[in-house]
Amino acid sequence: SQKIEQNSEALNIQEGKTATLTCNYTNYSPAYLQWYRQDPGRGPVFLLLIRENEKEKRKERLKVTFDTTLKQSLFHITASQPADSATYLCALGPGNTPLVFGKGTRLSVIA
Amino acid sequence: NAGVTQTPKFRVLKTGQSMTLLCAQDMNHEYMYWYRQDPGMGLRLIHYSVGEGTTAKGEVPDGYNVSRLKKQNFLLGLESAAPSQTSVYFCASRTGQASNQPQHFGDGTRLSIL
Repeated sequence: SQKIEQNSEALNIQEGKTATLTCNYTNYSPAYLQWYRQDPGRGPVFLLLIRENEKEKRKERLKVTFDTTLKQSLFHITASQPADSATYLCALGPGNTPLVFGKGTRLSVIA
Repeated sequence: NAGVTQTPKFRVLKTGQSMTLLCAQDMNHEYMYWYRQDPGMGLRLIHYSVGEGTTAKGEVPDGYNVSRLKKQNFLLGLESAAPSQTSVYFCASRTGQASNQPQHFGDGTRLSIL
């Protein structure tokens, strides 16, 4: 069956460190993978999209990698801040179909 | 622009009551989606629409109906609410169906069924 797994339900890190979140998928062949941020009581907000032929994508302190051989995407936040504390969701859509979301990883950045 | 607006924000119902959740978007998006989000389950797709007048079933459609009479609005109905439908409901829209298009979400409707 098709699965998207974010292997940590929660992650705690110290301020200033790099947070690394993992998204693994099985039985999909996505052309794109997306990452969203969700704050408590709010809807998810789009952050980054990476294509299957891109190894890496950066946006300010965010970096996403996409390894179609490992069927894995890594999401990095460098120089993390308490304001980065949120739940981060990965999502993919096989072809022209609605996005399927992982369950998310709740990140807490401790000052 | 308001983006995606959901009403109401909160609602408490009794088992067996009916209600309609409204989603409105002002981005002229063709595609609209209804998800429910439950602890430990993540976002699950209920129904979606690929354009005005169209609807399609998602992963968990039972107990819900939808309508897309106008391009900007997508309504989610519960005909006879059950406690299992207690959840946070999110509406989303995007310009195209291709998976390189980001989805824009509303801030949710928190629904409790007693």
